Amino acid sequence: SQTIHQWPATLVQPVGSPLSLECTVEGTSNPNLYWYRQAAGRGLQLLFYSVGIGQISSEVPQNLSASRPQDRQFILSSKKLLLSDSGFYLCAWYRGGYTDTQYFGPGTRLTVL
Amino acid sequence: DAKTTQPPSMDCAEGRAANLPCNHSTISGNEYVYWYRQIHSQGPQYIIHGLKNNETNEMASLIITEDRKSSTLILPHATLRDTAVYYCIVRVRGSTLGRLYFGRGTQLTVWP
Repeated sequence: SQTIHQWPATLVQPVGSPLSLECTVEGTSNPNLYWYRQAAGRGLQLLFYSVGIGQISSEVPQNLSASRPQDRQFILSSKKLLLSDSGFYLCAWYRGGYTDTQYFGPGTRLTVL
Repeated sequence: DAKTTQPPSMDCAEGRAANLPCNHSTISGNEYVYWYRQIHSQGPQYIIHGLKNNETNEMASLIITEDRKSSTLILPHATLRDTAVYYCIVRVRGSTLGRLYFGRGTQLTVWP
């Protein structure tokens, strides 16, 4: 069966510091992968998606970036965090077939101080 | 880019049915209705989906009106563990590379 991991689970970072969040998927190959952010009291916002190694599409302009160095690894980064980057970051992978939907990881709670 | 409208909050007594409404008046003929839920501090979880027929699985039932402009998610016997934010989404299957656009959903609180 497929599983998706994210780490760290929680993170507290000062403004201006760099960021690296990691997501890995097990049990599938060549998955579509996604990064979402959920700010406090808000719905989910799609940030990036990737259909393969080195292929990244951005949904919204921001100071975040994403990379996919390996088939089942997806990384979210920032060179300098802003206060507005605080939120709950979710990684997801897409499964076709009957459900034709995404399955989400446990998330990373980021607080920028 | 959510195309659905849901009440911001609802509550329900434990053991009773929870009926969560969703309006999607601009739904296209090839768009499906999907429901997800998000328990606090966890990732969203797929519940059920349908096109025009009512659907039922081990988690819930989905009732779609004949004109497909609205739907209702039914949790037949709500438990405390069903307390979560419930999202209703309309989308074309197999399209947009699987991207999902969530609105703010309905916060369902199940009380003992």
